[in-house]
Amino acid sequence: DTAVSQTPKYLVTQMGNDKSIKCEQNLGHDTMYWYKQDSKKFLKIMFSYNNKELIINETVPNRFSPKSPDKAHLNLHINSLELGDSAVYFCASRQGAGGELFFGEGSRLTVL
Amino acid sequence: DAKTTQPPSMDCAEGRAANLPCNHSTISGNEYVYWYRQIHSQGPQYIIHGLKNNETNEMASLIITEDRKSSTLILPHATLRDTAVYYCIVFLSGGSNYKLTFGKGTLLTVNP
Repeated sequence: DTAVSQTPKYLVTQMGNDKSIKCEQNLGHDTMYWYKQDSKKFLKIMFSYNNKELIINETVPNRFSPKSPDKAHLNLHINSLELGDSAVYFCASRQGAGGELFFGEGSRLTVL
Repeated sequence: DAKTTQPPSMDCAEGRAANLPCNHSTISGNEYVYWYRQIHSQGPQYIIHGLKNNETNEMASLIITEDRKSSTLILPHATLRDTAVYYCIVFLSGGSNYKLTFGKGTLLTVNP
């Protein structure tokens, strides 16, 4: 029973394409996140949603558009992919005000 | 603006205790210390957190100095599977818009 699941796990695509990564959590949490981990292994927050409402947007290019159809899902759509978008994208969720996040296994995006 | 300082890497012999230090000299009174780890190619995993008192759970112990300016994560009997990057994070519990910011962490290598 995977708590936070992401699909796809691997994604290889050409520059200029549009792609989506999906995330689902079955923990009943209110808040979900997208983090990006680049080749230097820095883990940076991108977005956060609380009960389907966007609450954190960390100066991410507007080619990235998160969507939360319900509080159990947070999807990430990326338009006009660039080489620099190559990274591992992690979805996470948490309940309440504490700092215990549950992360998915990541989606490795490679842009050629 | 890094709130924590950790050594970039450490080694530990299998079966011995691993003591991972973290400096957080600018921590404020209501900020917690959280520890996560990231095993290669996996999502970050929550380990433990504390405010003032020492804490212990099935994974690790957390020792926080009395002035709260530093802490140590202790893995009492390290195994090869504990090889990972360990992140020490200072976090203010509260609103849903509060974000968990990861630094560079410490790469712990457990040797046979």
